[in-house]
Amino acid sequence: KAGVTQTPRYLIKTRGQQVTLSCSPISGHRSVSWYQQTPGQGLQFLFEYFSETQRNKGNFPGRFSGRQFSNSRSEMNVSTLELGDSALYLCASSLAQGGVNTEAFFGQGTRLTVV
Amino acid sequence: SQQGEEDPQALSIQEGENATMNCSYKTSINNLQWYRQNSGRGLVHLILIRSNEREKHSGRLRVTLDTSKKSSSLLITASRAADTASYFCATAALNFGNEKLTFGTGTRLTIIP
Repeated sequence: KAGVTQTPRYLIKTRGQQVTLSCSPISGHRSVSWYQQTPGQGLQFLFEYFSETQRNKGNFPGRFSGRQFSNSRSEMNVSTLELGDSALYLCASSLAQGGVNTEAFFGQGTRLTVV
Repeated sequence: SQQGEEDPQALSIQEGENATMNCSYKTSINNLQWYRQNSGRGLVHLILIRSNEREKHSGRLRVTLDTSKKSSSLLITASRAADTASYFCATAALNFGNEKLTFGTGTRLTIIP
């Protein structure tokens, strides 16, 4: 059974640009959550999608957005990139909404560097 | 914001020794989970303990939960070099409509061969 796949693994962007990250969950999982990980703030919840609907959102500006497709694949988009957006972006898939009652399976992450 | 605070922030022990790390959290929870992260990679689920459970074992891992003190501990027995990683606790809130995992700050564990 294939794990959670995140693409690309590494990305370098310039301030002001936008970026789209992709996450393919484990087959059969309908919940995809996104997290931002930085040395200073740790793991911060961005948002969660379940059956194509955003069910929960963290405390991030509107520049961060996402969507989920009918095959459960999810994308997150960050517009007008800032230096502080440099981080490891992790997605997690789970059977249950938000991964709260079952384990969440994480991808390897996308390392975004904004210069 | 972080729900959990982990203690210690960093821990170095000799291979073969036991490692204990603690997690404290603030609000009522449905369950608490522990994850491991190897340097700069994704997180791997270790164990889930529900709010009505006090202790759980999985291989060399033992997790305890004290909901009255809002704290949990993870014990790794007979540590190995491969256990070197960061360990995070994650809490799942009780409130419907807010289903998400909130992660602690993590403990960086180094096993010295």
